[in-house]
Order: sequence, then C-alpha cells, then structure tokens
Amino acid sequence: GNSVTQMEGPVTLSEEAFLTINCTYTATGYPSLFWYVQYPGEGLQLLLKATKADDKGSNKGFEATYRKETTSFHLEKGSVQVSDSAVYFCALKGYTGRRALTFGSGTRLQVQP
Amino acid sequence: GAVVSQHPSWVICKSGTSVKIECRSLDFQATTMFWYRQFPKQSLMLMATSNEGSKATYEQGVEKDKFLINHASLTLSTLTVTSAHPEDSSFYICSAREGALEGKNIQYFGAGTRLSVL
Repeated sequence: GNSVTQMEGPVTLSEEAFLTINCTYTATGYPSLFWYVQYPGEGLQLLLKATKADDKGSNKGFEATYRKETTSFHLEKGSVQVSDSAVYFCALKGYTGRRALTFGSGTRLQVQP
Repeated sequence: GAVVSQHPSWVICKSGTSVKIECRSLDFQATTMFWYRQFPKQSLMLMATSNEGSKATYEQGVEKDKFLINHASLTLSTLTVTSAHPEDSSFYICSAREGALEGKNIQYFGAGTRLSVL
C-alpha cells in the first residue's frame, strides 16, 4: 500500500535559517505529492503540490521537487520566519484507486527570533 | 480559500455516551467528505469517505457501527462516536472536496475535534 515517511520533529531553527524537511514515499504508479501546513488552532492548508516527476511545487517561498528516482519530495525554504512555525505534513494521492490522501506523521517547525 | 468548519473543537464525555462531530463546508458544496483520526505524533489515518446522499465507505478496521457517518447535504457531514470508550480518545479531522474534476480536486480541512473519553 501507499505510505509516507517524513522526518521527526520538532525542528528548531533561528529566523532566516535554511529549512529542509525530508519526505519519502512508497506508492505504485505515479502518485501526486503534497505538502500541507497546519498553523496552531487551524485546519490543514495546502501549501504546495506536484503531480508528476521532476515537477517543482512552490508557494510562499517554500519549494519541493518530485523526485521519482529517490521517491522523495523534500520541503525547502531558503530563509524561514517566525510566522512559518507550524506543523508540516507530507502527503500523497495514488494514481488509481482511492482518492483520499495518505499522510506522513507531520513535522513540527519552531522558528525562534 | 474555501473554509471547512468543524464543531466542536474539543469535547469531553463519559464512557458509554455518544458524541456527534459536525463538519461543514461554508462557501462551497462538498461532493465528498473525509474523516480522519490522528493519534499523538502519528499520521492522519483515513477512517471513511462519504459522498452526499450515499453510504460512507469505511477503511479496513474501522467499525461502521461505532463510527456513524451521515452526509445528508452537500455542506454537512457528521461523525457520531457511539458508546464511546477511553480508547476512542483521539483527534478527529474532517476534510471536504468540492468536486471530482482535477481543478477542484483539492481537499480543505477542518481544524479538528479533540475527543476525550473519561
């Protein structure tokens, strides 16, 4: 079955530091890949997505590239801000079959001023 | 963006009682809604998928008689935890999808409901 593995947190960074949150997946075929963000007290929000190999999703300074050869979709940001503090979830949707998302366990990011 | 409202955000109940959680799409019609359960420091686990006007499809291992799902309208789905027990204590999250077309095939999430069963 499909699965998503992402690095455990919390990840604690200083403002303006470089961020990487690793995500790898297991799936058959060609899944679509997503990063969701959950700010305190709010629901999950779609941050970015990529639907095919070598696609790069980007939004709000965050980027992730769909790497089929390494089955990865690592999230990066060049300079984090305090307002980026949240929980980040990597997820995939299979190419066929069920249309629900399969999530990783989430990574909490804490950015200190 | 689209808003999904989930209510209540936190509920405490006694063992043996039933609890209803509501999930509403506020500014769009949700043809499909999903219910997830999240344990501490773990993934969101899909419990069931519901389409408006039809019976929910439950994931393997999820007791449909315990977790009753009703999706009676395009803007409301409810999850009722019947005869709740302490092991049902968890964080329940709903999401709603506007349509099957690729351009609208985005899930919008509620803020979740924390259930504590004493």
